[in-house]
Amino acid sequence: KQEVTQIPAALSVPEGENLVLNCSFTDSAIYNLQWFRQDPGKGLTSLLLIQSSQREQTSGRLNASLDKSSGRSTLYIAASQPGDSATYLCAVRQESGGSNYKLTFGKGTLLTVNP
Amino acid sequence: DAGVIQSPRHEVTEMGQEVTLRCKPISGHNSLFWYRQTMMRGLELLIYFNNNVPIDDSGMPEDRFSAKMPNASFSTLKIQPSEPRDSAVYFCASSRSRGGARSYNEQFFGPGTRLTVL
Repeated sequence: KQEVTQIPAALSVPEGENLVLNCSFTDSAIYNLQWFRQDPGKGLTSLLLIQSSQREQTSGRLNASLDKSSGRSTLYIAASQPGDSATYLCAVRQESGGSNYKLTFGKGTLLTVNP
Repeated sequence: DAGVIQSPRHEVTEMGQEVTLRCKPISGHNSLFWYRQTMMRGLELLIYFNNNVPIDDSGMPEDRFSAKMPNASFSTLKIQPSEPRDSAVYFCASSRSRGGARSYNEQFFGPGTRLTVL
C-alpha cells in the first residue's frame, strides 16, 4: 500500500527566504506526482504536476523535482512571501494495477511566512 | 469556467439526521471523486465515478454512506444516519480522462463542505 509522508509538518520562515518542502513515497511505481496548495477553509489548488518521466517542473517562483527511484519529491519556493502561507500537499498516482486513477495524499506541510 | 461547485459550504446537523452533499463537476470532465479530509487521516478517497458510473467505492466507510451521479453534471453524497465521527471536510474533485491507463489528468477540487455532526 502506498504511503506518502511530508516533512516537516509545519514550517515558519521570514519573508524573502528560499525554502524546500519534502515529500516521500514508499512505492516508486507512480504515474505522476502532484503538488497542491490548501488555504484555510478552502479547497485544493493544483500547483504543479510532474509526470514519472520528468525530473522537474517550474511555475513562477515554484520548482518541483521528482526522483522516482528514491521515492522523493521536493517543492522549492523562492523568495517566499506572506501570501505563500498555506498548507502544501503532495499526492501520487499509481502506475500499476486497476486503481491508477487514485491519488494518495500526504498530510501536508503547514507553511507560515512572516512579514 | 466556474470550477467545481459544492453545496452547502457548511453543514451543522444532529446525530441521526440525514445529510446530503452536492457537487457539480467542471463541464466536460468525465471523472468525479469524493474525498474526506480529517486531521487524523488526511485526505481519503471515498468513491470514484467515471462517465457517471461508480468504479471504486472501497473507500466508503460503511453502509450509512451512499453516492450517486445521475448525470454528467451532478453528484450527491448522502450520509444516513449521520454520526459525530462523520464530522470532516468533504471534497469533490473532477478530471478529464480519455480511457486507458495513461489518461488520467490532474484533478480539480471544489471548495469543500465542512460537516459538523453534533
